Amino acid sequence: DAGVTQSPTHLIKTRGQHVTLRCSPISGHKSVSWYQQVLGQGPQFIFQYYEKEERGRGNFPDRFSARQFPNYSSELNVNALLLGDSALYLCASSPEWGSDTQYFGPGTRLTVL
Amino acid sequence: GQQVMQIPQYQHVQEGEDFTTYCNSSTTLSNIQWYKQRPGGHPVFLIQLVKSGEVKKQKRLTFQFGEAKKNSSLHITATQTTDVGTYFCAGIPTDSWGKLQFGAGTQVVVTP
Repeated sequence: DAGVTQSPTHLIKTRGQHVTLRCSPISGHKSVSWYQQVLGQGPQFIFQYYEKEERGRGNFPDRFSARQFPNYSSELNVNALLLGDSALYLCASSPEWGSDTQYFGPGTRLTVL
Repeated sequence: GQQVMQIPQYQHVQEGEDFTTYCNSSTTLSNIQWYKQRPGGHPVFLIQLVKSGEVKKQKRLTFQFGEAKKNSSLHITATQTTDVGTYFCAGIPTDSWGKLQFGAGTQVVVTP
């Protein structure tokens, strides 16, 4: 079975631009979470979606938004990019919402110049 | 800032030696999870502990959840070069259901 997939794998943007990252969860998983991992740190929780509804949000500005589609795939959008948004963006899926194990995708490496 | 703290930040180990990494939370956790991230890779789930005082073993790895459900430890015996990577603990505070909080990780380097 395929694991969590993310696209693109790498992305280079300039300050002020907008970016959309995509994630497809493991088949049968209904929950998708997004994390930001800055080099040398642990993943920071951004959003969790379950059954197309936002169920949790971390301490990120309103420039960050996300949505989940009927097929449970998800998009993360970041507007007005800043240099500090450069990071590895990880998507993780789990069967249900709550305390389930997170299955991580390979991530999207975003570089903001 | 992160409410889940891990020590040490770096661990240099001679192959064959044992070591322990510790995880502490400022709040009570509903569960604790451990992940391993190889250089250039993504976090991979190792184990989940739910009960107070729970101890679980995976071959050379022993995981423990504290009685107060605020701390955890990972002990690796007879370290091998395949143990290289960063080990993260992650917990869900009882008052923040679903918001998995990661520690900063312990980066493990193994010297042959």
